[in-house]
Amino acid sequence: EVYLMESGGGLIQAGGSLRLSCATSGFGSSNNHFSWVRQAPGKGLEWVAIDYDDGNRFYADSVKGRFTVSRDNSKNTLFVQMNNLRADDTAVYYCVTAGGQYAFDIWGQGTMVTVSS
Amino acid sequence: IVLTQSPEFQSVTPKEKVTITCRASQSIGNALQWYQQKPGQSPKLLIKYAFQSMSGVPSRFTGSRSGTDFTLTISGLEPEDAALYYCHQTAYLPWTFGQGTKVEIK
Repeated sequence: EVYLMESGGGLIQAGGSLRLSCATSGFGSSNNHFSWVRQAPGKGLEWVAIDYDDGNRFYADSVKGRFTVSRDNSKNTLFVQMNNLRADDTAVYYCVTAGGQYAFDIWGQGTMVTVSS
Repeated sequence: IVLTQSPEFQSVTPKEKVTITCRASQSIGNALQWYQQKPGQSPKLLIKYAFQSMSGVPSRFTGSRSGTDFTLTISGLEPEDAALYYCHQTAYLPWTFGQGTKVEIK
């Protein structure tokens, strides 16, 4: 079965750090592109970052310099390290596969991050 | 790239046709996707590359394009189609989403 499962969310004070994980199953993480998308409560979807299978990574301006995506292919796990968190980072964070045409074809269930100010 | 969806809200009777438009601020070719999100669920990819329906998606969902205007059409709304719908472009980084369209069943 193919799935993604995020973990690591929680309540954190502004200025703090958090690392989210995304376990992948059913496909190798080494030859797929993965992205992170977030959704603030009651709001729309916001793209956060892309981790290409060749190691290139790009970030939304809103998180650049504060978030870092990485992966451990031996454990089929993706990560996003989030530093200097702000209240407006409060959201459900999804990891997704960026498949053909970089369409987000598989989504995890999401993990909630709440940043208190 | 800014994606502007219209309308933001639509209340529709079952079996009616629904049309949601997504206008891109510049040319993005066909690099446009449509997602459906039901309450409490993760989004689901319906259509990729403007036209290509995903496996398992009912045939009543179709995508089309005219220049920088993209359309998601639901031909004959079913009660289970009540959801938020988002467009999404992957032509240029940063990838962006439309603001969403809420479809409600009358």
